[in-house]
Amino acid sequence: DGGITQSPKYLFRKEGQNVTLSCEQNLNHDAMYWYRQDPGQGLRLIYYSQIVNDFQKGDIAEGYSVSREKKESFPLTVTSAQKNPTAFYLCASSPPGTGIGNIQYFGAGTRLSVL
Amino acid sequence: AQSVTQLGSHVSVSEGALVLLRCNYSSSVPPYLFWYVQYPNQGLQLLLKYTSAATLVKGINGFEAEFKKSETSFHLTKPSAHMSDAAEYFCAVSESGGFKTIFGAGTRLFVKA
Repeated sequence: DGGITQSPKYLFRKEGQNVTLSCEQNLNHDAMYWYRQDPGQGLRLIYYSQIVNDFQKGDIAEGYSVSREKKESFPLTVTSAQKNPTAFYLCASSPPGTGIGNIQYFGAGTRLSVL
Repeated sequence: AQSVTQLGSHVSVSEGALVLLRCNYSSSVPPYLFWYVQYPNQGLQLLLKYTSAATLVKGINGFEAEFKKSETSFHLTKPSAHMSDAAEYFCAVSESGGFKTIFGAGTRLFVKA
């Protein structure tokens, strides 16, 4: 079945540590996204990528980094510079937006907590 | 700039009652509008989308939404609530051909037996 796989489901970060969240899709979508979800704040865009080897900062990119070396993969690294990383992180992908309205397909999320 | 406002962070209805979740948007161009649903500890899934083909849009699980340009609204309704409808609902807007989607803050729906 086609879909988006996020791993791990739960992740714990120690002080000063970088951690990487995995996102893999087999939908053959060009665009991929990372969102952060906090209670009562909806989804906030961290980074997005329209094509391999290219990505743009979203609204809250500070303290995060990404790469897009393969179409299928868009890992997110939460660096030690992100002082409040505890949140639910969602990865999404979408086919080209023209004509069909940029529907986004989501993974099941990774819940990150600080030890 | 686009924006989405969902009125009411929490809505509580009795089983069998009408569900009404409110969404107002702001967009400088004709928008694409969406409703997504999120069950606990899961990702979002699409309920329905408006892409200018018809103002009344039917989605999955008996939900529908009506696009009203004059009111810049896209409210979500369901005639009769089921216990399984308890979840968080997000309204979202994007522009045709755009790669970014703006999400509202979400409305948590509670269904009482």
